[in-house]
Amino acid sequence: ETGVTQTPRHLVMGMTNKKSLKCEQHLGHNAMYWYKQSAKKPLELMFVYSLEERVENNSVPSRFSPECPNSSHLFLHLHTLQPEDSALYLCASSHQEGREETQYFGPGTRLLVL
Amino acid sequence: QKEVEQDPGPLSVPEGAIVSLNCTYSNSAFQYFMWYRQYSRKGPELLMYTYSSGNKEDGRFTAQVDKSSKYISLFIRDSQPSDSATYLCAMRGETSGSRLTFGEGTQLTVNP
Repeated sequence: ETGVTQTPRHLVMGMTNKKSLKCEQHLGHNAMYWYKQSAKKPLELMFVYSLEERVENNSVPSRFSPECPNSSHLFLHLHTLQPEDSALYLCASSHQEGREETQYFGPGTRLLVL
Repeated sequence: QKEVEQDPGPLSVPEGAIVSLNCTYSNSAFQYFMWYRQYSRKGPELLMYTYSSGNKEDGRFTAQVDKSSKYISLFIRDSQPSDSATYLCAMRGETSGSRLTFGEGTQLTVNP
């Protein structure tokens, strides 16, 4: 596997379910990100982890809980979501060193909350 | 006011046309400018990356940055049906680790 992978690719869940999204990066990067992508809206940054520490939590509701056990893996735990949380959830990684830092994205998890 | 404005389209052009995609921004601290391409059901992939003002060319793609006008463009020459995708502009400040700010994305269809 190369690049940034995400599982599952599609997820349907009820509002009372608990599920987790997984992201893995094979690029040797030291920072990982969760974004939410909704139709006709810019990508919304949710969480940033740098060197496995959460450095940014962009006022995300507590029903979204991130976890970064090491620099290659990132999880997003979901609990009692709302229908408006249906979206494409994208994971990205980057190497935060020097000026020329770029983010590389995974394919995303398409989430539908019923 | 949004930090980054991008015409969402959709934009539909015939094969071989020159395509111009644009973003305007308000934050003068932005120094790095990127264009991502996102195919349907895929994540965004980095297409072009530029620093400060100027032009950068890569094959059929040219990125332009005009910091004085706070305006960036992506030109696609000899457009192909395989260029059909959503194009996202993104930009960030000088320091490593500064947040990327995205436009809404422009949906492009190139018709054979």
